[in-house]
Amino acid sequence: ETGVTQTPRHLVMGMTNKKSLKCEQHLGHNAMYWYKQSAKKPLELMFVYNFKEQTENNSVPSRFSPECPNSSHLFLHLHTLQPEDSALYLCASSLEGGASTETQYFGPGTRLLVL
Amino acid sequence: DAKTTQPTSMDCAEGRAANLPCNHSTISGNEYVYWYRQIHSQGPQYIIHGLKNNETNEMASLIITEDRKSSTLILPHATLRDTAVYYCIVRSGGGSNYKLTFGKGTLLTVNP
Repeated sequence: ETGVTQTPRHLVMGMTNKKSLKCEQHLGHNAMYWYKQSAKKPLELMFVYNFKEQTENNSVPSRFSPECPNSSHLFLHLHTLQPEDSALYLCASSLEGGASTETQYFGPGTRLLVL
Repeated sequence: DAKTTQPTSMDCAEGRAANLPCNHSTISGNEYVYWYRQIHSQGPQYIIHGLKNNETNEMASLIITEDRKSSTLILPHATLRDTAVYYCIVRSGGGSNYKLTFGKGTLLTVNP
């Protein structure tokens, strides 16, 4: 238990569906991250939020839309996804997003399957 | 951030020490060495990090060579639950964002 929770843990959706992934951290952190992990590939950073402001978008397609209403919650809104978007989506948080000795804490991930 | 090189896989007997190497020959002076692990289908878990000195915590020890071009993560008494992919990451300090760049890591299999 890292203090970062993600829901749902598993999600199957069609290409025309709209769904949202939710991440919540109970650590008092101010930076939150979305990562994507496809089969046989390394983790890829998608988005970074610092104090609710998006500070990084790693060239992610617009069919992925993040939202950070407060420092404890992070959403990833999904629409018109493609089968190649099937992956494990991981959320992480850290204290402030800039200190050199900062540690990121990861949630358990949402396993997404797009049909 | 400097690149790292790790073996693709390693085996270890249960109860023995697991020594996982990592090469980071292009590391610069302000870059830290971090280790994470990922048990199958779970999120990565922080293990330990260091700059120059050797470090130890309840999970593992980190040995960094004097020239800082390589390091070794040591799990002193490996258990079956330590079977995971272990990532060695080199990260620069400071800046406005904190980035972890994951490679392919080492799959450590602990055998009974």
